[in-house]
Amino acid sequence: EAQVTQNPRYLITVTGKKLTVTCSQNMNHEYMSWYRQDPGLGLRQIYYSMNVEVTDKGDVPEGYKVSRKEKRNFPLILESPSPNQTSLYFCASSLGADISYYEQYFGPGTRLTVT
Amino acid sequence: AQSVSQHNHHVILSEAASLELGCNYSYGGTVNLFWYVQYPGQHLQLLLKYFSGDPLVKGIKGFEAEFIKSKFSFNLRKPSVQWSDTAEYFCAVTARAAGNKLTFGGGTRVLVKP
Repeated sequence: EAQVTQNPRYLITVTGKKLTVTCSQNMNHEYMSWYRQDPGLGLRQIYYSMNVEVTDKGDVPEGYKVSRKEKRNFPLILESPSPNQTSLYFCASSLGADISYYEQYFGPGTRLTVT
Repeated sequence: AQSVSQHNHHVILSEAASLELGCNYSYGGTVNLFWYVQYPGQHLQLLLKYFSGDPLVKGIKGFEAEFIKSKFSFNLRKPSVQWSDTAEYFCAVTARAAGNKLTFGGGTRVLVKP
């Protein structure tokens, strides 16, 4: 089944403890992206990647890192999480890098709480 | 910078009522427009999209949207809602000249009472 998977789905952690949220897609998509969803703000893009070893900042990149060593994986890294990073995170992928044309497929989401 | 506004944060209606959700965007150039839906506990799914051509776009599950360029709007409609349409709806915009980025509105939570 074609899908985007994220792990973990739920995570409660403490301030300053490094964490990684994994994202994987099995559709051979070039473009991958991370969003955070907060009430009333919709989804805001954190980072995106147009292909392997190519990443770029979105609208809210502060406090996050990403890497794209393989086409299928795009992990999101929080080196020192803070409470303002408590949010619902979505990974997405699309076939082509031009997301004006190609539909994005979203993962199931990761609910992160930082205390 | 492009921005997207959804005027209604919450909408409550009864089954069989008609639904219209407003969406306005700020970017003045050529845009592509999307509506996504997020059912409770699920990930986002694409309802419909507009790239060019007929400004009245039909999507899945009986939804449609109308692009009105002069009003910078892309409102979503459904003539008769069902309880299963309870979800959060997001309007989104991309503009090539603004970079390869999808900008979302704040979302509208729709509750359909049986």
